[in-house]
Amino acid sequence: RKEVEQDPGPFNVPEGATVAFNCTYSNSASQSFFWYRQDCRKEPKLLMSVYSSGNEDGRFTAQLNRASQYISLLIRDSKLSDSATYLCVVTSYSTLTFGKGTMLLVSP
Amino acid sequence: DAGVIQSPRHEVTEMGQEVTLRCKPISGHNSLFWYRQTMMRGLELLIYFNNNVPIDDSGMPEDRFSAKMPNASFSTLKIQPSEPRDSAVYFCASSVDSYGYTFGSGTRLTVV
Repeated sequence: RKEVEQDPGPFNVPEGATVAFNCTYSNSASQSFFWYRQDCRKEPKLLMSVYSSGNEDGRFTAQLNRASQYISLLIRDSKLSDSATYLCVVTSYSTLTFGKGTMLLVSP
Repeated sequence: DAGVIQSPRHEVTEMGQEVTLRCKPISGHNSLFWYRQTMMRGLELLIYFNNNVPIDDSGMPEDRFSAKMPNASFSTLKIQPSEPRDSAVYFCASSVDSYGYTFGSGTRLTVV
């Protein structure tokens, strides 16, 4: 079983839509959780951390369910500029383990 | 702050040649990571240094790969001899322990 699994997509949505991505992880000892965003031919960049209580940053909401080892990201009111690959990331000690990413394409 | 600096940005080489990728971490960061990204396998951790000491090199694919960190401001990843299956984007990242994780722009390696 892969350590971090994501649906590769692509998710094709119109501007203004709400879209949700899910991720599962296998290591129950994982300590921290993040969503990263990667634009085409660019490096990954931190989008937001994920906390058990759930957290929101503008149009983005992240949730963590430790019991189910499941992480989600919700994007409301999608913009064209949200088109990218979203990487689910978990940490054990100081290293990050990345999922292969979910591609989002937002169209006019 | 200039961020994590990698060189070269692009490298095209012939099979069998030696390739050296370079990374300058963010000043003050004590951890440095080398990743490889391909379509098939995604982002894979190759090796991780803490305070210039290699901590985990279990991701290094084989003996053809080696990495060094002679001081806090410089690291190299060397492939000798290179093979076409080594073609990928190689990212360096640095952090303060597990905080402030920042990636460089990557080196796109093509081995023909």
